[in-house]
Amino acid sequence: NAGVTQTPKFQVLKTGQSMTLQCAQDMNHNSMYWYRQDPGMGLRLIYYSASEGTTDKGEVPNGYNVSRLNKREFSLRLESAAPSQTSVYFCASVYNHVGTNTEAFFGQGTRLTVV
Amino acid sequence: AQTVTQSQPEMSVQEAETVTLSCTYDTSESDYYLFWYKQPPSRQMILVIRQEAYKQQNATENRFSVNFQKAAKSFSLKISDSQLGDAAMYFCAYRSPDSNYQLIWGAGTKLIIKP
Repeated sequence: NAGVTQTPKFQVLKTGQSMTLQCAQDMNHNSMYWYRQDPGMGLRLIYYSASEGTTDKGEVPNGYNVSRLNKREFSLRLESAAPSQTSVYFCASVYNHVGTNTEAFFGQGTRLTVV
Repeated sequence: AQTVTQSQPEMSVQEAETVTLSCTYDTSESDYYLFWYKQPPSRQMILVIRQEAYKQQNATENRFSVNFQKAAKSFSLKISDSQLGDAAMYFCAYRSPDSNYQLIWGAGTKLIIKP
């Protein structure tokens, strides 16, 4: 009963380094999201994938790229990390269908520090 | 674009008392979904309660209930008989029912329970 698995849980990067955050869900959900959470700002959407094969920018996409590898997996890549990307990152998934009110399930979050 | 506002950065309540957390949103849609999520220090996002805009009846889950005022675009959360385990960040979220599927989040309210 894994739900949404997000790795790693913690990461420290130097400015300019790259990394990929991995996210996988085993609930057969069609939609997946990447958020960042900063103090006093709630969850801000970076990118989302409404269904397998599609990705779209959210509110704060600059400096990030995503890949919806298959229905289960949705990765977030930082090509050249900057201190402004220090944050807690969450992956979420939902079974979305027009007219349904299903809840989003979240990973445990990744605390990323860029020095 | 839809927005969600939580005007109370922090609230405190005495154990066993009742507290109400405020949430307002802005949308031009007539049908949508609203959620309250809880985030304890563990960082895990936990669904507390959900409401469909087409339902006039306010949702209730045990000690948690909402006051949904569609015309006023208000969605407040009432916690009765507050317990120490209720201490957490609480986030209000909005979701459009169409194929966009984006979740829009408020900035959160930190709830402190005084023993």
